[in-house]
Amino acid sequence: DQQVKQNSPSLSVQEGRISILNCDYTNSMFDYFLWYKKYPAEGPTFLISISSIKDKNEDGRFTVFLNKSAKHLSLHIVPSQPGDSAVYFCAASVRLYNNNDMRFGAGTRLTVKP
Amino acid sequence: EAQVTQNPRYLITVTGKKLTVTCSQNMNHEYMSWYRQDPGLGLRQIYYSMNVEVTDKGDVPEGYKVSRKEKRNFPLILESPSPNQTSLYFCASRASGNYGYTFGSGTRLTVV
Repeated sequence: DQQVKQNSPSLSVQEGRISILNCDYTNSMFDYFLWYKKYPAEGPTFLISISSIKDKNEDGRFTVFLNKSAKHLSLHIVPSQPGDSAVYFCAASVRLYNNNDMRFGAGTRLTVKP
Repeated sequence: EAQVTQNPRYLITVTGKKLTVTCSQNMNHEYMSWYRQDPGLGLRQIYYSMNVEVTDKGDVPEGYKVSRKEKRNFPLILESPSPNQTSLYFCASRASGNYGYTFGSGTRLTVV
């Protein structure tokens, strides 16, 4: 039972354009959402997060949008750079519960072409 | 340097031969967790620990054991590995109240 879904296994964009990665969730108890980035042969690294009390969080070229009514979040990367090519994981958690607290999506492989 | 260290990075073993993957963190984090990554399934939690001597099952605990005798270490034990445990394993840690995990570099395990 996948509570966090990333329905696009891959995405390819041109350098300088916008990359939009999508994530859907089913558990309405989730109140904190994170994006992780993973390069080959490395562990995932934290990228950006958002609390359910917000609908947008921005950090440089990265912006995460949250639509609670649709149970949907997205990660925007503007402008995209070749170094952004990686697998991106969406994760969600219920902060009230400290155990078994984080669920990950299957990941989206982003390729940014020069 | 703040980090989570896993060993070994790569391991090929035979069915039924007990093995341990070690994990150590130097950030004094309370929470530690093991995940496995499989194609199309993302990262699934195997076991987690909220502090020393406190562990609990994640989503896919079958065939695995863990222990947390010291705060910094959280080894993953496969008593009798089977081919369906062939996967990429990640150890992670986080501080209490911080909801983002710091991950190790991964252990690629192949069971033949």
